[in-house]
Amino acid sequence: DQQVKQNSPSLSVQEGRISILNCDYTNSMFDYFLWYKKYPAEGPTFLISISSIKDKNEDGRFTVFLNKSAKHLSLHIVPSQPGDSAVYFCAARLSNTGNQFYFGTGTSLTVIP
Amino acid sequence: KAGVTQTPRYLIKTRGQQVTLSCSPISGHRSVSWYQQTPGQGLQFLFEYFSETQRNKGNFPGRFSGRQFSNSRSEMNVSTLELGDSALYLCASSRYTDTQYFGPGTRLTVL
Repeated sequence: DQQVKQNSPSLSVQEGRISILNCDYTNSMFDYFLWYKKYPAEGPTFLISISSIKDKNEDGRFTVFLNKSAKHLSLHIVPSQPGDSAVYFCAARLSNTGNQFYFGTGTSLTVIP
Repeated sequence: KAGVTQTPRYLIKTRGQQVTLSCSPISGHRSVSWYQQTPGQGLQFLFEYFSETQRNKGNFPGRFSGRQFSNSRSEMNVSTLELGDSALYLCASSRYTDTQYFGPGTRLTVL
C-alpha cells in the first residue's frame, strides 16, 4: 500500500527554467514532509522540509508547497541547474509515530544545459 | 560535524548466510532508522531505534532485526539471506523526531 506517490518517474527541464516535482499522499495524519535528492550509489541528501501547519517553505532556489485539502506536495526549483540532475524523493511522517517516514518511489530530474 | 557513516559499503553474501551492517549517527543524534531500497520500490522503512529502544517497525519479516547501543551506534542483522534481500540498505539519523540525515548506504548482494 503506497501511501506516498510520485507519479512522474522522470522529468526533463531546460537549464534556467523552473522544475516542478509532485508528490501525492493518501493519509491525512501525515504531519511532516521532506524532500531529498539522491545521486546513484549515494545516500539521499536532505533538501527542504515542511510541517503540516504551513503551506509553503522556501530555502534559496527550493520552495516546497503543501496543499493539505488535496493531499499534494510539490517542490519547485528555480532556476534549474545541471547539477540538480538527480532522483528526488518526497517523504511523509505519520504524527505521533516517532520518525517513521514513508517515501515515494522518486522522480528522476534531468536538467538540460 | 561528521555525517552518518555506514560500514561496510559493499557486501557479497550467499543465500542462507547472515549479515550485520553498522551505522554511526551524527554526533548528538539519538534516533537511527534503517531503510531498504530496491529498484522501483523507493525506500522501505525497516525500523527505528531511539535511545536503545525500538520505537517503530516496518513490515519486514523477523529475519530483519536491529539494535542500538548506548553511544547511539546501530547495527542491523539479516539472517538466512534470500536473493530478494539484495538491496541498498540506508541508515538515517536525527536528533529526536525531525529531519533525517542519511548515510551513504551499504550495497548488499546475495548470490
